[in-house]
Amino acid sequence: DTEVTQTPKHLVMGMTNKKSLKCEQHMGHRAMYWYKQKAKKPPELMFVYSYEKLSINESVPSRFSPECPNSSLLNLHLHALQPEDSALYLCASSHILQGDTEAFFGQGTRLTVV
Amino acid sequence: GNSVTQMEGPVTLSEEAFLTINCTYTATGYPSLFWYVQYPGEGLQLLLKATKADDKGSNKGFEATYRKETTSFHLEKGSVQVSDSAVYFCALSEGNNDMRFGAGTRLTVKP
Repeated sequence: DTEVTQTPKHLVMGMTNKKSLKCEQHMGHRAMYWYKQKAKKPPELMFVYSYEKLSINESVPSRFSPECPNSSLLNLHLHALQPEDSALYLCASSHILQGDTEAFFGQGTRLTVV
Repeated sequence: GNSVTQMEGPVTLSEEAFLTINCTYTATGYPSLFWYVQYPGEGLQLLLKATKADDKGSNKGFEATYRKETTSFHLEKGSVQVSDSAVYFCALSEGNNDMRFGAGTRLTVKP
């Protein structure tokens, strides 16, 4: 199994809603990532979890709250988002602390904030 | 900090043309280098990688060589197909699970 599975594929939410994005992998990877990708832009790193602990937070606003409940799952909790947060949110995973190991990406969740 | 600079697109080629997408990087140490491809509406897929100087990554007819002296990792393909139309991202990672991407180059191949 070399897949990273993200749900939902599409999400529309209001600015007062609370929602969660989910990501799952069963490749034994102990590093998991959230990226945000705006249209025609590269993915921007948001968070990195290593061994289920947050290791990198790229100064992301607190309305985005990541969670790594176990080594296979990664969540991104969303609350009070703004329309400019609309983007494709990509989850990725990789082996830990090995710079030559590629990251495997999910298909993404396309989020629209209205 | 580490960064990647890619040639700006979009790039439009005819089928069977030769492709080069330039990528240069800045890093404090010895990064690994990657090319990822993103098809419309999808996530990123690894195309090829190189982990040390002079390594050549190759896959599906694409090649890139890790050139430390010029800090480059240019992507090449001898004969592109319509199915190669996608966005290509150069990326680097320096062992701290912090992968950084270039701006991306959109390739369109016309029949």
